[in-house]
Amino acid sequence: GESVGLHLPTLSVQEGDNSIINCAYSNSASDYFIWYKQESGKGPQFIIDIRSNMDKRQGQRVTVLLNKTVKHLSLQIAATQPGDSAVYFCAENMGGGGADGLTFGKGTHLIIQP
Amino acid sequence: GAVVSQHPSRVICKSGTSVKIECRSLDFQATTMFWYRQFPKQSLMLMATSNEGSKATYEQGVEKDKFLINHASLTLSTLTVTSAHPEDSSFYICSARDWYNQPQHFGDGTRLSIL
Repeated sequence: GESVGLHLPTLSVQEGDNSIINCAYSNSASDYFIWYKQESGKGPQFIIDIRSNMDKRQGQRVTVLLNKTVKHLSLQIAATQPGDSAVYFCAENMGGGGADGLTFGKGTHLIIQP
Repeated sequence: GAVVSQHPSRVICKSGTSVKIECRSLDFQATTMFWYRQFPKQSLMLMATSNEGSKATYEQGVEKDKFLINHASLTLSTLTVTSAHPEDSSFYICSARDWYNQPQHFGDGTRLSIL
């Protein structure tokens, strides 16, 4: 079936550097995308979202890029800090913003090295 | 805002026991809540959608008689794992949204271990 997937399971970045986490989705009907951060033993924490009518959205130290042509989503984290170490999931949804449950990607484990 | 609380955070019980997990929206009303399951080092998988005042909608492959969902109020949904067995051991996480077109917010999950 169609699903959301990630290119890299683990990403190691030096503290202070920028990181980019990628996600490929296959459902062209998806119109809402979210990035979540999950720390060990906790539930996912909302980071940033983007709708299909946009190709870029910025938050505090984070930027999400959406390329609908190649069905690709990325999360950029600027000036990484030790607290950024976690597993990051992209998630997608059809129906305008959360009416239905989310389909999650496989996750990328981001490791920030001192 | 948009805080979701789950209880208990951890349950260890014997095979055959039924376990109830509560999911509460603390500072908003949630007409819809969602239940997910997560195995170690894997992603979250949607189990069911819980609708206040009506029956839950289950994903394909999820047994509704095994995983009973009740959404009796706008701030509380419960998931009961009936006659739990070791293969039901997992991390169960709920989520809720406070308004249409807003992201889902997640609880901190319940670690269920069946001996």
